[in-house]
Parts: sequence; C-alpha cells; structure tokens
Amino acid sequence: EIVLTQSPATLSLSPGERATLSCRASQSVSSYLAWYQQKPGQAPRLLIYDASKRATGIPARFSGSGSGTDFTLTISSLEPEDFAVYYCQQFSNWPPLTFGGGTKVEIK
Amino acid sequence: EVQLVESGGGLVQPGRSLRLSCAASGFTFDDYAMYWVRQAPGKGLEWVSGISWNGGSIGYVDSVKGRFTISRDNAKNSLYLQMNSLRAEDTAFYYCAKDLYGGWNGAFDIWGQGTMVTVSS
Repeated sequence: EIVLTQSPATLSLSPGERATLSCRASQSVSSYLAWYQQKPGQAPRLLIYDASKRATGIPARFSGSGSGTDFTLTISSLEPEDFAVYYCQQFSNWPPLTFGGGTKVEIK
Repeated sequence: EVQLVESGGGLVQPGRSLRLSCAASGFTFDDYAMYWVRQAPGKGLEWVSGISWNGGSIGYVDSVKGRFTISRDNAKNSLYLQMNSLRAEDTAFYYCAKDLYGGWNGAFDIWGQGTMVTVSS
C-alpha cells in the first residue's frame, strides 16, 4: 500500500499570501496524483489531477507540481474561500487507492 | 448538471446490515467506473471500494473485504454498497464518486454530498 504523507498538518496564513502544501509518497506514483479541497460540511472537490492539470473550473491561482514521490500544491494568493482542508490522493498502484492525511489551511 | 445523490444511511446496531444507494444523473453512467469513499467524523478520507463500468473489475480496502459488496445497475444509473457485519469503526459519511476519465483509473471528479452511517448500540 502506498502511504501519502502531507505536510504541514496546519498552515496559518493571511489572505493574499502564498500557500505551499507538500505531499510525499512512500514509493513512486509517477504523475498519478490528485489534489482535493474540502470545506466544512461539504464533499471534497477535485482541484488538480495528473499532478499538474487543473480540473474544470478551478482558478489559475491553484497549481500542482512534482512527480515520482514529491508533490506540491501551490495557491499563489489566498482568497477567503480557499481556507479549507486539502488532500492528496494517489491512483498509481491500487487497490487500495490512498489519501494523505490532509493539510488544513487556516486564517492567521 | 452532473449529479450524484446518495441515500440509505442511518443508525444501525453493530453486526447488522445496511445498503447504500447512489443515483447518478447528467452523464452517461455506464461509461464510467464508480467508487465509494468514506470519512469518519473529524477524520480524513478513506477509499472503500470501486467498480468498473461493467462490473468486471471490483476492488475493496482490506478493512471491508468480505463484509461489503459494491454493485451497479446501469439501466437504473445507480451504484450500491451492501454493508454487512457492520462495526463501530464503519461509522462515517459515505460518498459516492465518479471516475475522472471513465475507465478503471482511480481519480474522482464528481462527488455526491454523502450519506451518514452510524454504527452504535
């Protein structure tokens, strides 16, 4: 089973700041990695797939990078609606599909 | 509008059964693999099960193997999860999700709003 480790667990930032979230895989997942955003009381939403492709309707301030075992989700300038929990997920070697533990981006 | 609507959750005693349903609309259901993902209260996401477009490929997380059964009815645009021998640790929101590409790929582009399953005596 591929284990995904996200860091930091919590990121405290102000609107307008840049957010950098990390996801590390226990073995290579090539580019088969997705990022999801989840707000309280809501279902997750796909942001990024194939490590760097933005999903339909996702603003350009969200970008993904990396391959192999190290991945990054960057939010270039935080908007108020971006404060949420972010999960990475691998779909390279499965079952099982696995998620990281999540990074909470909170308002400082 | 592409939409997934789950139903069938509720309070159930340990050891009992429950069947979840997911009604799909707004896309060609039988072109896509479908999945169940759960989230325990205050916890992260956990993939539970997946099924290919025709049911030819099926997978489960180890913790539910032998207890849960995924199925689909393409004529009814519906996905199901039969959950037997339920345990307290199965308590979670259960989401149904659609495959991003269609085939047995494993990324999810559309999620339902979820249905809550509580296992307690």
